[in-house]
Amino acid sequence: GDSVTQMEGPVTLSEEAFLTINCTYTATGYPSLFWYVQYPGEGLQLLLKATKADDKGSNKGFEATYRKETTSFHLEKGSVQVSDSAVYFCALSERDTGRRALTFGSGTRLQVQP
Amino acid sequence: DGGITQSPKYLFRKEGQNVTLSCEQNLNHDAMYWYRQDPGQGLRLIYYSQIVNDFQKGDIAEGYSVSREKKESFPLTVTSAQKNPTAFYLCASRGTGLGELFFGEGSRLTVL
Repeated sequence: GDSVTQMEGPVTLSEEAFLTINCTYTATGYPSLFWYVQYPGEGLQLLLKATKADDKGSNKGFEATYRKETTSFHLEKGSVQVSDSAVYFCALSERDTGRRALTFGSGTRLQVQP
Repeated sequence: DGGITQSPKYLFRKEGQNVTLSCEQNLNHDAMYWYRQDPGQGLRLIYYSQIVNDFQKGDIAEGYSVSREKKESFPLTVTSAQKNPTAFYLCASRGTGLGELFFGEGSRLTVL
């Protein structure tokens, strides 16, 4: 079945450092890909998305490019802030199942120090 | 504002008791989902409903039950048959767009 693999955390960075969180996927067909962010004690918020190969999703300085050849959707940000500290989830849409749910990775915790 | 409301935010339960978590949405979405979140394990699908009066088991449905009598509401009951119910529960809905889900704030259930 479909699956998503994320780099393990926590990732600890200093403010203004460059961020990369790796995400690779296994799926039949061509799923849509998503990054969600979760702040402590809250639900998940959609950060960005991409629906086809070579699409780049972007929001709030975060970017991710849908790479079909490497089945990857790595999250990047050029300069992180303390307020970016959260858990980040990579997810894909289930195209070939009737339930049309999202399959999530295990999440990567980011800690940004001032 | 449109969104998904989950209640209660925190819930404590004694072993052997059933509890019901509420999920209400005013987004006019047909599809709704319940996920369970455990530390380091991501989100796992419990139940989903594509339309009123219909629902299906997800990947970890044992020990849970749901109903979908109204489009706006999708309550989840955690029964005494659920062996390890302590977790963070997230309700979501899906519109007709690109497949993204919209999430509520979650309910944290602790079994004492």
